[in-house]
Amino acid sequence: DAGVIQSPRHEVTEMGQEVTLRCKPISGHDYLFWYRQTMMRGLELLIYFNNNVPIDDSGMPEDRFSAKMPNASFSTLKIQPSEPRDSAVYFCASSPATGGSNEQYFGPGTRLTVT
Amino acid sequence: AQSVAQPEDQVNVAEGNPLTVKCTYSVSGNPYLFWYVQYPNRGLQFLLKYITGDNLVKGSYGFEAEFNKSQTSFHLKKPSALVSDSALYFCATLTGGGNKLTFGTGTQLKVEL
Repeated sequence: DAGVIQSPRHEVTEMGQEVTLRCKPISGHDYLFWYRQTMMRGLELLIYFNNNVPIDDSGMPEDRFSAKMPNASFSTLKIQPSEPRDSAVYFCASSPATGGSNEQYFGPGTRLTVT
Repeated sequence: AQSVAQPEDQVNVAEGNPLTVKCTYSVSGNPYLFWYVQYPNRGLQFLLKYITGDNLVKGSYGFEAEFNKSQTSFHLKKPSALVSDSALYFCATLTGGGNKLTFGTGTQLKVEL
């Protein structure tokens, strides 16, 4: 298996632009998680899905952020409009059907820079 | 609220010496505890977990962790450190009904020759 795949690996955009981050989880995993990592705030869970359904989005910072999972093999995290404070590394992770008691498998991350 | 704390931002160890990366937890009920490692420019990788059973948990790359209920600790250990162990280490616990991981702030481990 190729592991969790994220694209793009790096994204540089200007303030106000729309940004879309993409994730392909490991086949057969029922849980998908989106995290954000910054020096100031550490690693934060933004949202997670179970069987393509959003379960907990309490970590989504504001309405500018949205996430979708249209099928079991694809998810997007969208920021519209983007702001410089959104600059961070965004990770996607997936986990087997038993959820959090099993380990999560992380993708390589997308480094987002908003100028 | 369920949480973990990593009291050290950085730990420096000489290669060949034993290493310990500390983690304490604040969890109601039975804790589910994890250690992950992050190498530069990479995603996190699972090392080991404690769910129940033996207090000494063995994981990947020769790492182990000791669950201590009286001290509410789950320290990560390795008998002999390698330079290649240099990385950022995260302790985590399950929250939110058992599906969410809450991570500590991370400890940067530096192993020097």
